Amino acid sequence: GENVEQHPSTLSVQEGDSAVIKCTYSDSASNYFPWYKQELGKGPQLIIDIRSNVGEKKDQRIAVTLNKTAKHFSLHITETQPEDSAVYFCAAQSNFGNEKLTFGTGTRLTIIP
Amino acid sequence: DAGVIQSPRHEVTEMGQEVTLRCKPISGHDYLFWYRQTMMRGLELLIYFNNNVPIDDSGMPEDRFSAKMPNASFSTLKIQPSEPRDSAVYFCASSPSGGDTQYFGPGTRLTVL
Repeated sequence: GENVEQHPSTLSVQEGDSAVIKCTYSDSASNYFPWYKQELGKGPQLIIDIRSNVGEKKDQRIAVTLNKTAKHFSLHITETQPEDSAVYFCAAQSNFGNEKLTFGTGTRLTIIP
Repeated sequence: DAGVIQSPRHEVTEMGQEVTLRCKPISGHDYLFWYRQTMMRGLELLIYFNNNVPIDDSGMPEDRFSAKMPNASFSTLKIQPSEPRDSAVYFCASSPSGGDTQYFGPGTRLTVL
């Protein structure tokens, strides 16, 4: 089955700086890669996703890049703000017809004012 | 739409008692997923349904766990008998179709004493 590794497990950045979180996956048939943000006491919420037919996707201060050859994808947050502090999870979904998401272990991001 | 609704939000019970967690998916979503989140094991998929039919229950830890979806707007996850190691946050998520975004509920925090 799919295996997703996520690094780092914790990340602290100064407000206004950029943050990068990286994930690798094992199943070359995976074709859908969402990123979720989980705030304290809440369920994970989708913030951005990418499919295997594109290499990069951007939404305001958030971007995701995908390298299918190397089987890794990354989340980039620019101009970080205190409200970006949360736990972020990457996930991968295997070939079409398999609706299961495999999640990474999470990154606790802290924005230092 | 109100999003995915879960009840109760918190449950404290004693070992050996039966616990029932409830979920109402987003209207019109065909897929429903049950996850468990712990510090040690992260987010684990327990079971998922498509059009009220269980598709994959390979993540259900043991026979003490059971899940049902009697109709498109309601699902339950039951633990009988409960054990302290079942203490975790249980999330329900729904999705419009296979390979699509999963929307998570707020979770139920279960504590088994």
